[in-house]
Amino acid sequence: NAGVTQTPKFRVLKTGQSMTLLCAQDMNHEYMYWYRQDPGMGLRLIHYSVGEGTTAKGEVPDGYNVSRLKKQNFLLGLESAAPSQTSVYFCASSIPYNEQFFGPGTRLTVL
Amino acid sequence: GESVGLHLPTLSVQEGDNSIINCAYSNSASDYFIWYKQESGKGPQFIIDIRSNMDKRQGQRVTVLLNKTVKHLSLQIAATQPGDSAVYFCAEVDEGYQKVTFGTGTKLQVIP
Repeated sequence: NAGVTQTPKFRVLKTGQSMTLLCAQDMNHEYMYWYRQDPGMGLRLIHYSVGEGTTAKGEVPDGYNVSRLKKQNFLLGLESAAPSQTSVYFCASSIPYNEQFFGPGTRLTVL
Repeated sequence: GESVGLHLPTLSVQEGDNSIINCAYSNSASDYFIWYKQESGKGPQFIIDIRSNMDKRQGQRVTVLLNKTVKHLSLQIAATQPGDSAVYFCAEVDEGYQKVTFGTGTKLQVIP
């Protein structure tokens, strides 16, 4: 059981470039989440999904898009990266009404 | 807006002593609360949770207390060990059990 995995672990982008972060879970969880964590701060919810084919906005959705085409995968896209999006990104999954399981994170730097 | 916050950003505790980490929340409709531990360079890890119909829950060396009257949550760690050194986050979950709002975190430093 790998749990929650994230790809890639590290990435450096130039302003204006695009990229997709992949989150995969093998626990058959219904809910999946994308967070960002800035230095010395807590996690802020970007987008979340309560099931395959459904997504919803979180606290800080601007500049990001997501897709949940398969139950086990949740993709986070940056169409035109900005330095303000430099952060550590965490994916999480859960079954309804229970705690979230987090991935190891993706460290993204936008120059 | 609604928020979850912590009173102390850093807490230093002698090894073997008990630790208490506090959290204030403002959304009275929140139904579920979770404590997470985050070690450096890793994702948050579940410690213990409590639902709004309870005021106390115990785990192995950890206890969570919920005071809905004053909207306060605390995490108690008994016999703190060096391995407990980490950042601890409280989180509140909305009544629909979908959105999770995290506090800013408290760094626990255990002095050997």
